[in-house]
Amino acid sequence: NAGVTQTPKFQVLKTGQSMTLQCAQDMNHEYMSWYRQDPGMGLRLIHYSVGAGITDQGEVPNGYNVSRSTTEDFPLRLLSAAPSQTSVYFCASSYDGTGNGYTFGSGTRLTVV
Amino acid sequence: QKEVEQDPGPLSVPEGAIVSLNCTYSNSAFQYFMWYRQYSRKGPELLMYTYSSGNKEDGRFTAQVDKSSKYISLFIRDSQPSDSATYLCAMKDVTNAGKSTFGDGTTLTVKP
Repeated sequence: NAGVTQTPKFQVLKTGQSMTLQCAQDMNHEYMSWYRQDPGMGLRLIHYSVGAGITDQGEVPNGYNVSRSTTEDFPLRLLSAAPSQTSVYFCASSYDGTGNGYTFGSGTRLTVV
Repeated sequence: QKEVEQDPGPLSVPEGAIVSLNCTYSNSAFQYFMWYRQYSRKGPELLMYTYSSGNKEDGRFTAQVDKSSKYISLFIRDSQPSDSATYLCAMKDVTNAGKSTFGDGTTLTVKP
C-alpha cells in the first residue's frame, strides 16, 4: 500500500532544461493535483485533474504541463526550467471532491541554477 | 487579497497548553474545511475535515467552523512536543471540488 509516490525526491536542473516529475497513486483516486510550496507562501495549486483525460489549470500554471492518461499517473512537466521554479513540489490525490481531503506524496525538492 | 488568510505565527507554547489555530476566508462558496499537519521536510497529512458550519472533535483536536463569520479554528488540547509542526487550513468549493485553497500555515512549537 504505497499511497502517493513521487520521483525523484531531489533534482538540480540548469536554466532552460526540461524534466518530468512523476506521480503515481495506487488508491484508485479520481482526483489528483500538483502543488508547489515556497517559504512563507503555503501551497499553491499548479494543475489538477478530476479523472483520466481531464485536467485543468490552477493558480500558478505557467511553465508547467500535465496530462492524465491513466487513473494512477499524473506527471508534471517543466518545459524550460527557470530559477523561479525552485521549490518543493507535492502531488496529492483524493477519492472524490468532498472533504475527505488529500493524500500527499513526500515531495520533490527542485533547484534550478 | 488572498481567499484564505491564516494566522502567521510562529507559535510557541509549553507542553500541556491549549492551542488555537485560526483562518479566515472570503469565498462564501467554500463548504469543506480541512486541517493538515506538516512535519519538517514531509508532505502534509490530513488531520480533520468538517462540512459547512459546526464543530468536530477527534481526540485532543477540535475543529470549528463559523460560516457566518467566515472563520475556522483548530484547537489542540493538552499539547505535546510531538504536535510541533506546521498546520495548514484548506477549503473547497463544492462547485469546483477538484481544487483546494490553502492558507500559508502556522508553525507550532510545543516545548517540554
